[in-house]
Amino acid sequence: NAGVTQTPKFQVLKTGQSMTLQCAQDMNHEYMSWYRQDPGMGLRLIHYSVGAGITDQGEVPNGYNVSRSTTEDFPLRLLSAAPSQTSVYFCASEGITGELFFGEGSRLTVL
Amino acid sequence: GQQLNQSPQSMFIQEGEDVSMNCTSSSIFNTWLWYKQDPGEGPVLLIALYKAGELTSNGRLTAQFGITRKDSFLNISASIPSDVGIYFCAGGYQKVTFGIGTKLQVIP
Repeated sequence: NAGVTQTPKFQVLKTGQSMTLQCAQDMNHEYMSWYRQDPGMGLRLIHYSVGAGITDQGEVPNGYNVSRSTTEDFPLRLLSAAPSQTSVYFCASEGITGELFFGEGSRLTVL
Repeated sequence: GQQLNQSPQSMFIQEGEDVSMNCTSSSIFNTWLWYKQDPGEGPVLLIALYKAGELTSNGRLTAQFGITRKDSFLNISASIPSDVGIYFCAGGYQKVTFGIGTKLQVIP
């Protein structure tokens, strides 16, 4: 009963480093998305995908890249990490009723 | 982009009290959702609303989809300690927009 799995759960980076946050879902959902959560700002949409091979930008896409080569996986790449990207990142997939299923989150600190 | 105004941002209540929180938007939404987030976890859906005027209950939780499609509220009756967490309203389908959350603390 995995649902949405995110790795790593915690990561510390130095400014300028790159990394990839992994996300996988086993519910065969077409739609997947990445959000970041910051204090006092709720959840903000970074990128989303409506199916394999199709991605689009959300509200705060700058500094992040995504790709969707399979239905199951939707990795989020930070190309050159900045302190402003310190946040908690959530991956989600959406069922046909519109319910978002979230992973447990990836807590990223950029020094 | 679309914004949701959620209030209050935080609440301290006594166990057993009822709680009400609401969300308004300048844009129309065809779907309203309410999520709860426990510490260290991702949000989990509580109630989904799909029709203007709809009133839906889930145990002690009741939510309504406003007639104008620009607002929604969530009520929790007879609060208990495990109600502690952050409650988010959300609107839309696929590109879902979230409110900033209501942090609820229950005093036993």
